[in-house]
Amino acid sequence: AQKVTQAQTEISVVEKEDVTLDCVYETRDTTYYLFWYKQPPSGELVFLIRRNSFDEQNEISGRYSWNFQKSTSSFNFTITASQVVDSAVYFCALSEAFGQNFVFGPGTRLSVLP
Amino acid sequence: GAVVSQHPSWVICKSGTSVKIECRSLDFQATTMFWYRQFPKQSLMLMATSNEGSKATYEQGVEKDKFLINHASLTLSTLTVTSAHPEDSSFYICSARRSSGGYEQYFGPGTRLTVT
Repeated sequence: AQKVTQAQTEISVVEKEDVTLDCVYETRDTTYYLFWYKQPPSGELVFLIRRNSFDEQNEISGRYSWNFQKSTSSFNFTITASQVVDSAVYFCALSEAFGQNFVFGPGTRLSVLP
Repeated sequence: GAVVSQHPSWVICKSGTSVKIECRSLDFQATTMFWYRQFPKQSLMLMATSNEGSKATYEQGVEKDKFLINHASLTLSTLTVTSAHPEDSSFYICSARRSSGGYEQYFGPGTRLTVT
């Protein structure tokens, strides 16, 4: 069975600090996809990134970066120089090949204080 | 591209009544749509998978007679909460996957249901 763990329930940082959100996953599949979504107070999910299991390259997009470590089954997300607008709940998710069995982690609530 | 809408965005209904939530893929065809439920401060839990022209597949613990799903066209799936009770109050989110293939799920903005 697939499982996603986000050990940090809530994190508070002060603006301009860097913050890393942890994600550990479990799957028996060799082909799978990992995702990160942001859910602001409005509730709408905002897609941040998708990574397939064969691509272990780390990715940077502006202030966001992702570290995929297959050896430790982790897909961590770092926000550099955090801003108040980054305050939201962040979900890590996992799906089998072809999008089957999409599983969300419990989420991490990030509060960025001014 | 790949926009999914939900209607209504929020609804308040009285206990015992039924409420219908629509999920539409606006710029693509979706053979498969998914319905999720999210209770306050919790994660999204898959309720059911909706396939166009066939019966929905429900996750364990989800009552199919209470949560009726109809996927009558390639761009529309509906979720009807029948005889709603306060414990059904939740945030319902749908997602759609392209008929042309691929693994991406495109999420709708969600519908907040409050049952009084």
